[in-house]
Amino acid sequence: DGGITQSPKYLFRKEGQNVTLSCEQNLNHDAMYWYRQDPGQGLRLIYYSQIVNDFQKGDIAEGYSVSREKKESFPLTVTSAQKNPTAFYLCASSIEQGGYGYTFGSGTRLTVV
Amino acid sequence: AQSVAQPEDQVNVAEGNPLTVKCTYSVSGNPYLFWYVQYPNRGLQFLLKYITGDNLVKGSYGFEAEFNKSQTSFHLKKPSALVSDSALYFCAVRDRRRALTFGSGTRLQVQP
Repeated sequence: DGGITQSPKYLFRKEGQNVTLSCEQNLNHDAMYWYRQDPGQGLRLIYYSQIVNDFQKGDIAEGYSVSREKKESFPLTVTSAQKNPTAFYLCASSIEQGGYGYTFGSGTRLTVV
Repeated sequence: AQSVAQPEDQVNVAEGNPLTVKCTYSVSGNPYLFWYVQYPNRGLQFLLKYITGDNLVKGSYGFEAEFNKSQTSFHLKKPSALVSDSALYFCAVRDRRRALTFGSGTRLQVQP
């Protein structure tokens, strides 16, 4: 079945560590997105990529980095510069740049310990 | 800037009664509007979208939404609520970056 896979489901990070969240899709979608979800704040856009080897900052990119070396993969690194990383992270993809009909992964819950 | 607002943090409704979850939008040009649903610790699932055409849009699981240009609203409706509809609902709009900007979400609680 086609879909979008995020791993791990749960992730614990120590202070000062970088961690990488995986997002893989086999839908042949061009565009991919990373959102952060905090209670009562909805989803906020971190980074997005409309084509391979290109990506743009979203609304809250500070302390995060991404790469898009393959169409299928869009990993997100949460760096030590992100002061409040505890959140639920959602990856999504869409068939074209219009943002139509996002398909979401099941999310990664990151906790700082 | 393109944005959507969901004025209610929570909506409570009895099973079998009609439900409405409100969304208003602010866009320049023609809006592309979406509704998604989220169950606990899961990703979001697409319910329906309005791009153009009929103001009443039908979607998944018996949900529909009414686009009202004069009131800049895109309310989600269902004629008869089910307990299993209890979830977090998000309205979204395509923004100038061609990404989706989401509202803050409305928690729907359907009581048996």
